[in-house]
Amino acid sequence: GAVVSQHPSRVICKSGTSVKIECRSLDFQATTMFWYRQFPKQSLMLMATSNEGSKATYEQGVEKDKFLINHASLTLSTLTVTSAHPEDSSFYICSAWDILHEKLFFGSGTQLSVL
Amino acid sequence: EDQVTQSPEALRLQEGESSSLNCSYTVSGLRGLFWYRQDPGKGPEFLFTLYSAGEEKEKERLKATLTKKESFLHITAPKPEDSATYLCAVQNTGGFKTIFGAGTRLFVKA
Repeated sequence: GAVVSQHPSRVICKSGTSVKIECRSLDFQATTMFWYRQFPKQSLMLMATSNEGSKATYEQGVEKDKFLINHASLTLSTLTVTSAHPEDSSFYICSAWDILHEKLFFGSGTQLSVL
Repeated sequence: EDQVTQSPEALRLQEGESSSLNCSYTVSGLRGLFWYRQDPGKGPEFLFTLYSAGEEKEKERLKATLTKKESFLHITAPKPEDSATYLCAVQNTGGFKTIFGAGTRLFVKA
């Protein structure tokens, strides 16, 4: 079964609204989680590294005020897309690092469509 | 800067026709190299982790190998259900940040 749960799987929203995506590690505690963005037929682009109890580390070119990341517990990280615009429409995928088994497990992704 | 390059971009095979996918990488210090399978509209599914040159791992029709500069994913006698995008990723010793290649889209025709 899935070890990383991501919700919602699909969301459609109006331009200007904010959308929150949750990522939970189910079978292990994850001090480090990652958020990726993926465009059709392209690979995963790392947006930010989320560390439990501290501020996220954003990749170059990713607006930290637009993509708010919170990693308040060892099993939950959230990504909030603030004031979403059509260009934010994309497939967002979270992942969690299982330090015990040294594996990176992925959620099932969230397809965001901003109208 | 860590970099991962995968080739070919797309690969079309007949069922039973074995082939290999390439992943070339540059990394300041390799903690691990990963292979994932991704189906459309889904998150990547973990396949293998390789840690050092010379290491090999197998799972069903897949075998992954690693050298100091590249990794190969060998597919033996593929079946249509092996059709997917195969992603290669590296993680450096500086942390757990994982960088992905663009992937190889594999199509296996019956």
